[in-house]
Amino acid sequence: DAGVIQSPRHEVTEMGQEVTLRCKPISGHDYLFWYRQTMMRGLELLIYFNNNVPIDDSGMPEDRFSAKMPNASFSTLKIQPSEPRDSAVYFCASSLGWEYQETQYFGPGTRLLVL
Amino acid sequence: QKEVEQNSGPLSVPEGAIASLNCTYSDRGSQSFFWYRQYSGKSPELIMFIYSNGDKEDGRFTAQLNKASQYVSLLIRDSQPSDSATYLCAVSLGSQKLVFGTGTRLLVSP
Repeated sequence: DAGVIQSPRHEVTEMGQEVTLRCKPISGHDYLFWYRQTMMRGLELLIYFNNNVPIDDSGMPEDRFSAKMPNASFSTLKIQPSEPRDSAVYFCASSLGWEYQETQYFGPGTRLLVL
Repeated sequence: QKEVEQNSGPLSVPEGAIASLNCTYSDRGSQSFFWYRQYSGKSPELIMFIYSNGDKEDGRFTAQLNKASQYVSLLIRDSQPSDSATYLCAVSLGSQKLVFGTGTRLLVSP
């Protein structure tokens, strides 16, 4: 399996622009997670889906952030409008989710820089 | 108080020594505990998980859990330079949601 796929790998944009991050989970995985990682705050869960349905979005920082999962093989995280404080590495992860000890497999991440 | 706390390090150990990484958590309802390794510029990867008090061994790695003290640790025996990375402790309350610490940077010198 190719693992979790994320695109783009790097994104540089200007403040106010819309940013869309994409993720393809591992085939057969029922759970998909979006994380953000910064030096100051570490790795934070933004939102997660089970069978394409959002389960917990309490980590989404504000209304500028939105996430969708239209089908089992694709998810997007959108930031509109973007701000410099959104600069971070955004990871997507997926898991089978049968047990609460289930391993989460992370994608390579998208490095976002908002100027 | 952060939910999951780790010393940021760096923790420096010589090659062949035992590296001891520690993590404390605040929620007594926490059920599962995970250790992830993250190399610089890479994504986290799972090393071990533990959910019962005591020790769990996997090769050179041993996870230790003490729920009464709300403490979980990771021991790396015979440390190698390739073990140099940031180690993230993560805690679950029994759902798929993980709360991560900010990580401890480990440096193993040849």
